[in-house]
Amino acid sequence: AQSVTQLGSHVSVSEGALVLLRCNYSSSVPPYLFWYVQYPNQGLQLLLKYTSAATLVKGINGFEAEFKKSETSFHLTKPSAHMSDAAEYFCATYGNNRLAFGKGNQVVVIP
Amino acid sequence: GAGVSQSPRYKVAKRGQDVALRCDPISGHVSLFWYQQALGQGPEFLTYFQNEAQLDKSGLPSDRFFAERPEGSVSTLKIQRTQQEDSAVYLCASSLVSANTGELFFGEGSRLTVL
Repeated sequence: AQSVTQLGSHVSVSEGALVLLRCNYSSSVPPYLFWYVQYPNQGLQLLLKYTSAATLVKGINGFEAEFKKSETSFHLTKPSAHMSDAAEYFCATYGNNRLAFGKGNQVVVIP
Repeated sequence: GAGVSQSPRYKVAKRGQDVALRCDPISGHVSLFWYQQALGQGPEFLTYFQNEAQLDKSGLPSDRFFAERPEGSVSTLKIQRTQQEDSAVYLCASSLVSANTGELFFGEGSRLTVL
C-alpha cells in the first residue's frame, strides 16, 4: 500500500529562516503526492500537489516541494518563515480512493 | 455553502451513548470522505461515498461505526455505544469529481470526547 513518512513531530524555526519539512513516500507506481496545511481552528487545506508534470512544485504562501525519485522524497520548503506559517503540515499520498497521511509536523515560528 | 460544513463542532458523550456527526459538503461535489484524526496523529481514512453509494468502508474500525449519504449530498457518521478510544476529531472532505486525484476540501471537523 502507498504510504508516506514524516519525521519529527514539532519543528521550531526562527522568523525569516528556512522552513524544511521532510516527507518520504513508499509506492510501487508513480505517486500522487500532496502537502496539506491545517491552521489553528481551521480545516485542512491543500498547499501543493505533485502529479508528475514537474518535479518542482510551487504552492500557496511561498511554499514549494521537490519530487526526487532517487530519494523517494517530497520535502516541503519555504525560504523565509513568517509568523503566519505556524500551523500543522501533513504530507499525503493518494491511491485506492483515499488519501494516506503522514503523522504531521507542528511548525512553531519563533520571533 | 462556500465550504464543507460539519456539526457539531464539539461533542462530549458518555461511554455507551450513540452519537451522530453531520457533514454538508460543497454543493455539487460528487465524492465525500470521512477521516478520523486521533491526537497527535494524521487523519486516518474511514469511508468514501460517490454520490449516494458507499464505495469503500474498509476504514471503519468496528461495526459500531456507520455512515450514510442517502441523497448524495449531506452525510451522517453514526457511532453506536461510544467507547473512550473513539475520542478523536472526525473530518469530512468532499471533491468535485468522481475520478479523484486526492485534491479534497475539508471541513473543520467534529471533535468527539467520550468520557
